Amino acid sequence: VQLVETGGGLIQPGGSLRLSCAASGFTVSSNYMSWLRQAPGKGLEWVSIIYTGDSTYYADSVKGRFTISRDTSKNTLYLQINYLRAEDTAVYYCARLRGDSWFFDYWGQGTLVTVSS
Amino acid sequence: DIQMTQSPSTLSASVGDRVSITCRASQSISSWLAWYQQKPGKAPKLLIYKASNLESGVPSRFSGSGSGTEFTLTISSLQPDDLGTYYCQQYYTYSTFGQGTKVEI
Repeated sequence: VQLVETGGGLIQPGGSLRLSCAASGFTVSSNYMSWLRQAPGKGLEWVSIIYTGDSTYYADSVKGRFTISRDTSKNTLYLQINYLRAEDTAVYYCARLRGDSWFFDYWGQGTLVTVSS
Repeated sequence: DIQMTQSPSTLSASVGDRVSITCRASQSISSWLAWYQQKPGKAPKLLIYKASNLESGVPSRFSGSGSGTEFTLTISSLQPDDLGTYYCQQYYTYSTFGQGTKVEI
């Protein structure tokens, strides 16, 4: 099992970004998948989840600005981030959930998003 | 929202010590709690799930206990490889993490 995030970078406030998480060793669409983030020097924050049945949920802090999705043909998870704010600066991790329990058994290495003018 | 509070924030111990980290939930979460270890610059690693179940491949010196609102992660004999920050996570309602406990050796 491997998860590899890409797409991070330096972006101006108000901008948009799409993060990708390429999976190998398992099928993304057959698993609950999540995005989490960690601001520099801070703790972990759950951001979003997508169920096998396409239901999605978001933390209040990102609702309406972030969209989680997946591409079955590419076995890849995405996070579309719009209207970026300085407080969105963080390392973003994708993670696989164990069955339908909301704990995370495999994590990617993370991708850094820096929001600054 | 369910708040998770860990103590202590920092823990300094010696190799071979028995150490414990406490995690308290703002309301009962039954046993829906996980523990993770994060080393500097790395992703978190799952150690314990459902409060006391040891993840496959994790050394048996790690153990978890508790239910309801109070939980404990114990390392029976601290090893140099155990340095890092430890986080608890509730998954009773959505998901929230504690603020972390940094273990120094």
